[in-house]
Amino acid sequence: DAKTTQPPSMDCAEGRAANLPCNHSTISGNEYVYWYRQIHSQGPQYIIHGLKNNETNEMASLIITEDRKSSTLILPHATLRDTAVYYCIVSSTMDTGRRALTFGSGTRLQVQP
Amino acid sequence: DAMVIQNPRYQVTQFGKPVTLSCSQTLNHNVMYWYQQKSSQAPKLLFHYYDKDFNNEADTPDNFQSRRPNTSFCFLDIRSPGLGDAAMYLCATSRDAAGGTKTQYFGPGTRLLVL
Repeated sequence: DAKTTQPPSMDCAEGRAANLPCNHSTISGNEYVYWYRQIHSQGPQYIIHGLKNNETNEMASLIITEDRKSSTLILPHATLRDTAVYYCIVSSTMDTGRRALTFGSGTRLQVQP
Repeated sequence: DAMVIQNPRYQVTQFGKPVTLSCSQTLNHNVMYWYQQKSSQAPKLLFHYYDKDFNNEADTPDNFQSRRPNTSFCFLDIRSPGLGDAAMYLCATSRDAAGGTKTQYFGPGTRLLVL
């Protein structure tokens, strides 16, 4: 799987947008970018994924650069409950199930009141 | 709601005493995964089942085994737990379909303590 690089930690003020960057410079053409988050002592929670186009759902927006070498997860109005470790992961869709998510170190987002 | 369920949430075992963790899902997904997550580390894949086909990661110790009796259930067996096996164990599922993205859905995890 392509490797990802994320800042180890970030702070964000409550109510403001949280922008979490991720570099995946070795991503290949058929690999999706996934974002998960893990709140303390819980299982990882799926947030969003994308291939080339920007994506938005009820939780977040995903902005992928045109060359696909980096992406940004945007939480538009961060709340205290968004405090978590955010993982950016790339995973191929071509395999028949023999691959899984390879988690990197993630970014610990602390939302401040 | 469809979900991934793990029981128990907390498990205490003794050094060397076999222990089984369970996972069930109501999503009817064909792939099930087991991850190990040690304190302050990222989850690490141990193995996964693609339907009935078991796929072990190369660096997963022999001490860890798994069973999948049917689509809904998957078990993680630790034959002789050591102190280093204390961790959170996460079960996940995905539906592998043509053109699908294999998004994984995780259970809440079982935290294992070895005394």
